[in-house]
Amino acid sequence: QKEVEQNSGPLSVPEGAIASLNCTYSDRGSQSFFWYRQYSGKSPELIMFIYSNGDKEDGRFTAQLNKASQYVSLLIRDSQPSDSATYLCAVNYNDMRFGAGTRLTVKP
Amino acid sequence: DAGVTQSPTHLIKTRGQQVTLRCSPKSGHDTVSWYQQALGQGPQFIFQYYEEEERQRGNFPDRFSGHQFPNYSSELNVNALLLGDSALYLCASRPLAGGPSEQYFGPGTRLTVT
Repeated sequence: QKEVEQNSGPLSVPEGAIASLNCTYSDRGSQSFFWYRQYSGKSPELIMFIYSNGDKEDGRFTAQLNKASQYVSLLIRDSQPSDSATYLCAVNYNDMRFGAGTRLTVKP
Repeated sequence: DAGVTQSPTHLIKTRGQQVTLRCSPKSGHDTVSWYQQALGQGPQFIFQYYEEEERQRGNFPDRFSGHQFPNYSSELNVNALLLGDSALYLCASRPLAGGPSEQYFGPGTRLTVT
C-alpha cells in the first residue's frame, strides 16, 4: 500500500469552475500536510499547508483535512488556465512523503 | 536574495559511473534535503543534512551518499549508476528552526543514465 495516494488524473475542468483534488495517507502519526504545484519541467512550489482538522483558506485555494479519515483535499475556486499543472500532496511525519500527483488541466 | 541553486542542470552518464550533484541552500537556511523524482512520480526523500551530518534517510541504497559543508551547501553522490537512477534530483532547503512549510526546492538536476 502506497503511503500517500492521489488520483493520477488527468482532471479537466473548465475555466471558472471549482477543481477538487484528493489525497489519502496511511500513517496515522502524520503531523502536517502540504499541497505543492509543479509545472512541467519545473520544481515543486508550496501552495498550501494544513496541520489541524478542518478547512484552511488562502485566496482561491482551500485545503481540507480529516485526520480520522486520513484524507486531505485541495479546492481551487475560479480555476484559471494558469492553474494547469500537477498537484502533489505531501505528508510529513519524520520525513516528507509525496503522492504521485494529480495532473490538472483548466480549459479556457 | 538567491533561492536554492543546483548544478549542473542536466547530466548524462553511463551505467556504472559515479556522479556528484551540488546544491546551495537559500540564504538563511541550514538544513538541506535531497529528493529523487522519477518521471510521472512524486519526489522521494533520499536524506537530510544539517550541522554537516546526515540526520534522516529514506529508503535508498548505500550507493547514494551525501555531504554538507560548513557553508551549508551540499553534495549528492551516486555510485555505480543504474538505468533506474535516471530522474530529476531535487534539493530543498529550510531553516532548522522552521518547519517543512518553510522548505524551498531548487530547480533540480536532470540525470540521464544510458
